[in-house]
Amino acid sequence: DAGVTQSPTHLIKTRGQHVTLRCSPISGHKSVSWYQQVLGQGPQFIFQYYEKEERGRGNFPDRFSARQFPNYSSELNVNALLLGDSALYLCASSLDGPYEQYFGPGTRLTVT
Amino acid sequence: AQSVSQHNHHVILSEAASLELGCNYSYGGTVNLFWYVQYPGQHLQLLLKYFSGDPLVKGIKGFEAEFIKSKFSFNLRKPSVQWSDTAEYFCAVIPYTGFQKLVFGTGTRLLVSP
Repeated sequence: DAGVTQSPTHLIKTRGQHVTLRCSPISGHKSVSWYQQVLGQGPQFIFQYYEKEERGRGNFPDRFSARQFPNYSSELNVNALLLGDSALYLCASSLDGPYEQYFGPGTRLTVT
Repeated sequence: AQSVSQHNHHVILSEAASLELGCNYSYGGTVNLFWYVQYPGQHLQLLLKYFSGDPLVKGIKGFEAEFIKSKFSFNLRKPSVQWSDTAEYFCAVIPYTGFQKLVFGTGTRLLVSP
């Protein structure tokens, strides 16, 4: 079975630009969560979606937004990029909620 | 602020040594507890989890963890490590307060020398 997939693998953007990251969950999983992992830190929760509805949001500015599509894939959008947005962005999927999450390989975003 | 603490940031062991990685959390009430592992070049994967019942939890690859409620701790143990256990280990908690989400510790990098 295919695991969680994320694209792109790596991305380099300039300050002020916009970025879209994509995630495809494991087949049958209806919940997708996004995390930001800065070097030397553990992953920090950004969003959780279930059945296309936002269930929860972490302590991130409004520049961060996400959505989930009818096929349960998801996009994370970040506007007006800052240097501090440089991180590994992880997507995790589950049947429902945060309890049995399977993580993707992540997208490494570098903002210059 | 409420948090998850992993006090050992880097641990270096020789093969066959015993391992104990500390994890403490500061949430009151009911919590679900997890240890995740990230092997070099691989995804984060679940090692073990505690929801309720026996506070001694056994996971994959010979790992176990003990939940001590009075100490707000969930330490990870393995009696005899192997070189292949070299990885980064993350403790995570789901507190049953407000929206339930995974809260991770900062991680512990384990290097096992052959």
